[in-house]
Amino acid sequence: AQKVTQAQTEISVVEKEDVTLDCVYETRDTTYYLFWYKQPPSGELVFLIRRNSFDEQNEISGRYSWNFQKSTSSFNFTITASQVVDSAVYFCASSGGSYIPTFGRGTSLIVHP
Amino acid sequence: NAGVTQTPKFQVLKTGQSMTLQCAQDMNHEYMSWYRQDPGMGLRLIHYSVGAGITDQGEVPNGYNVSRSTTEDFPLRLLSAAPSQTSVYFCASSYSGTVNEQFFGPGTRLTVL
Repeated sequence: AQKVTQAQTEISVVEKEDVTLDCVYETRDTTYYLFWYKQPPSGELVFLIRRNSFDEQNEISGRYSWNFQKSTSSFNFTITASQVVDSAVYFCASSGGSYIPTFGRGTSLIVHP
Repeated sequence: NAGVTQTPKFQVLKTGQSMTLQCAQDMNHEYMSWYRQDPGMGLRLIHYSVGAGITDQGEVPNGYNVSRSTTEDFPLRLLSAAPSQTSVYFCASSYSGTVNEQFFGPGTRLTVL
């Protein structure tokens, strides 16, 4: 069974601050996939990134970056120079050999102007 | 391309009533799934399907039925609604099981009185 822990329930920052959302996963699968999704206040779920267990390269996309470290079973997400539009709930998820993905409980990010 | 569509957007039921939440996708995805989202609980998988005619249980299947007669449609049936089923329901689809990102519908907010 897989487990995803997002220990930060809510983070509050002021615009232009950098913020890191933590994600720790547990799995017995040797091949697995990690994801981040964003849920803005409008409610829809939007895919942000996918990583497989063989690719530990960090990824940067504009103000977003992801740090995948197998040694600590972490897949953290950093937003640089946060903006009000980044306010959302962010979910980390994992999937392995079964067809049942596991989602974390989400981190609510509030960016104040 | 509509992506994943869900109807209705909102629904209020009385305890014991039955209803069907509709979900359709036009991306020819084989994998489809239903989640429920409760405050502080993240997303929990109810049922999933890996193709037409094939369905299986997720983490929280009790009280729900599904069927998959076509690739496009994956309805979720509540047989006898209970207040514990008050939740937001999301349908999702993906190209190849759970190794790829999932595309989510807009959600159905269900209240059971």
